[in-house]
Amino acid sequence: RKEVEQDPGPFNVPEGATVAFNCTYSNSASQSFFWYRQDCRKEPKLLMSVYSSGNEDGRFTAQLNRASQYISLLIRDSKLSDSATYLCVVDGIGSGNEKLTFGTGTRLTIIP
Amino acid sequence: NAGVTQTPKFQVLKTGQSMTLQCAQDMNHEYMSWYRQDPGMGLRLIHYSVGAGITDQGEVPNGYNVSRSTTEDFPLRLLSAAPSQTSVYFCASSYPPGGEQYFGPGTRLTVT
Repeated sequence: RKEVEQDPGPFNVPEGATVAFNCTYSNSASQSFFWYRQDCRKEPKLLMSVYSSGNEDGRFTAQLNRASQYISLLIRDSKLSDSATYLCVVDGIGSGNEKLTFGTGTRLTIIP
Repeated sequence: NAGVTQTPKFQVLKTGQSMTLQCAQDMNHEYMSWYRQDPGMGLRLIHYSVGAGITDQGEVPNGYNVSRSTTEDFPLRLLSAAPSQTSVYFCASSYPPGGEQYFGPGTRLTVT
């Protein structure tokens, strides 16, 4: 099993719809979880951290399910500008950057 | 603040040539990392540094060297370029360790 797995998509979703995707991780000791957004041919940027109790930032909601070892990202009222690749990032054993594992990303396209 | 800067943006090398990818950050971050991104593989850690004078290997260090003489700069040296090193290279800095990664705009390298 890969350390971090994501459905590569593409997800093609009409504008205004709600879309959700998951990311599974294999290391039950992982403590930190993140969603990054990467636009085509650009660098990744942090979208949001994922907290144990779940967290929301505007139209974006992130949740963590430790029992099933996955995190999710929900986007409500999707906009054309949400089209991007979403990377799941999970930490492993240790305390530094060297223990961050990036998923391969889920590609999202919002259709007008 | 410029954040994280990388040069060059694009580079074409012939097999066997060497070159240095430059990375600099002005956020006074102790932690810096080099990643490569290949289709279907996600971001993979090449080398990282936890402070000036300290570097360590990541997941895919072979064929690359790094040095960290100052907090600001973290160059990546390709010793003898191979076609397998064709990739997009991202430099990132962060504080605290394992926290939000700030990425540079990337260097697209092609080795023929």
